Amino acid sequence: NAGVTQTPKFQVLKTGQSMTLQCAQDMNHNSMYWYRQDPGMGLRLIYYSASEGTTDKGEVPNGYNVSRLNKREFSLRLESAAPSQTSVYFCASSARDRGIYEKLFFGSGTQLSVL
Amino acid sequence: AQKITQTQPGMFVQEKEAVTLDCTYDTSDQSYGLFWYKQPSSGEMIFLIYQGSYDEQNATEGRYSLNFQKARKSANLVISASQLGDSAMYFCAMREATPNFGNEKLTFGTGTRLTIIP
Repeated sequence: NAGVTQTPKFQVLKTGQSMTLQCAQDMNHNSMYWYRQDPGMGLRLIYYSASEGTTDKGEVPNGYNVSRLNKREFSLRLESAAPSQTSVYFCASSARDRGIYEKLFFGSGTQLSVL
Repeated sequence: AQKITQTQPGMFVQEKEAVTLDCTYDTSDQSYGLFWYKQPSSGEMIFLIYQGSYDEQNATEGRYSLNFQKARKSANLVISASQLGDSAMYFCAMREATPNFGNEKLTFGTGTRLTIIP
């Protein structure tokens, strides 16, 4: 059971370049998320998708776009990368647990450097 | 605005000892949820435990328990009988007022790096 799979694991970009981070989950979860993790800061939500066909902005959406391609896949696109987007990016999906809360399942992260 | 504070950037603990990781939060909401996640060196965040604001009892999950002190806005994680595999970053997180399923927008703290010494 692979869980949440992110690709690539590492990426170096030059300022202005574009790229897409891929994420897929095999747990049949409806909800998927993209977070970024910066040194000395907690994870911050970029975008989320509550179900196939819907996406919404999180706390730090500027400079990013997302696509919920189908129930399994949720991609994050940087159209014109900036050094401020150097970060570790995490994709997650969630499932309701005990009817009380959503438990997040995370991928192993993508370390992105923008020079 | 919600805020999570973890004041311990790093901790070193002897194996088999109990560990308490501190977390305080700030919210004006009456209904909220508190989480702890573990991030080992592999990078993947792993769910540990959940506490609802209306839960009267402290949550427990195996060796993990959450010391919830609502009046003090404190949600400390307690790990009993620590093991070498507990060495990791630990993050406290809170979700906003209503459990809007499918929209688990969490606010995370900055984390505590726990190192277990043999």
